[in-house]
Amino acid sequence: DAGVIQSPRHEVTEMGQEVTLRCKPISGHDYLFWYRQTMMRGLELLIYFNNNVPIDDSGMPEDRFSAKMPNASFSTLKIQPSEPRDSAVYFCASSFRAGVTEAFFGQGTRLTVV
Amino acid sequence: GENVEQHPSTLSVQEGDSAVIKCTYSDSASNYFPWYKQELGKRPQLIIDIRSNVGEKKDQRIAVTLNKTAKHFSLHITETQPEDSAVYFCAASNKYGNKLVFGAGTILRVKS
Repeated sequence: DAGVIQSPRHEVTEMGQEVTLRCKPISGHDYLFWYRQTMMRGLELLIYFNNNVPIDDSGMPEDRFSAKMPNASFSTLKIQPSEPRDSAVYFCASSFRAGVTEAFFGQGTRLTVV
Repeated sequence: GENVEQHPSTLSVQEGDSAVIKCTYSDSASNYFPWYKQELGKRPQLIIDIRSNVGEKKDQRIAVTLNKTAKHFSLHITETQPEDSAVYFCAASNKYGNKLVFGAGTILRVKS
């Protein structure tokens, strides 16, 4: 398995534009997580899915953020409209059994909103 | 909800010395405690983990200890090398065992 795959690796966009980040989890993993990493706030959990169903989205900062998982092999995190304070590295991670088995992280997407 | 505190935020050691990073957690029901290493510009990767039924676990130069009563756990790196320089994150599962809460991270610098 190639591991968790995220795209794009880098994204630069103008304020107000829509941004879509993509993630392919490891095959067979039931849990998928979206994290945001900044210097100020560290690694923040935004939302996680179990068997494609969103379980906890309490970390989503505001309504501009939305996430979907239409099937077991694909998830998206969308920001609309984007703002400069959304600039961060966004990681997707997957695990076989959340909280008791290893969470594998993707390479991350570095988002810059100008 | 679960809260994880990590100290110190930065740590500088001389090559060959030991490094210790400590974390405390709030939820006594937490049962899984992994440590991740993140090199500059890379993804976090698991280096060692421990479960609540074990007090200590060792893997070559790294070890983790867990004190459930005091609700704290620590990472120990012996004979540090320059390639150990990275950010280290501790984490704890929440009481439902379905997600991890991460500490703020420790920047470890190993000086040669």
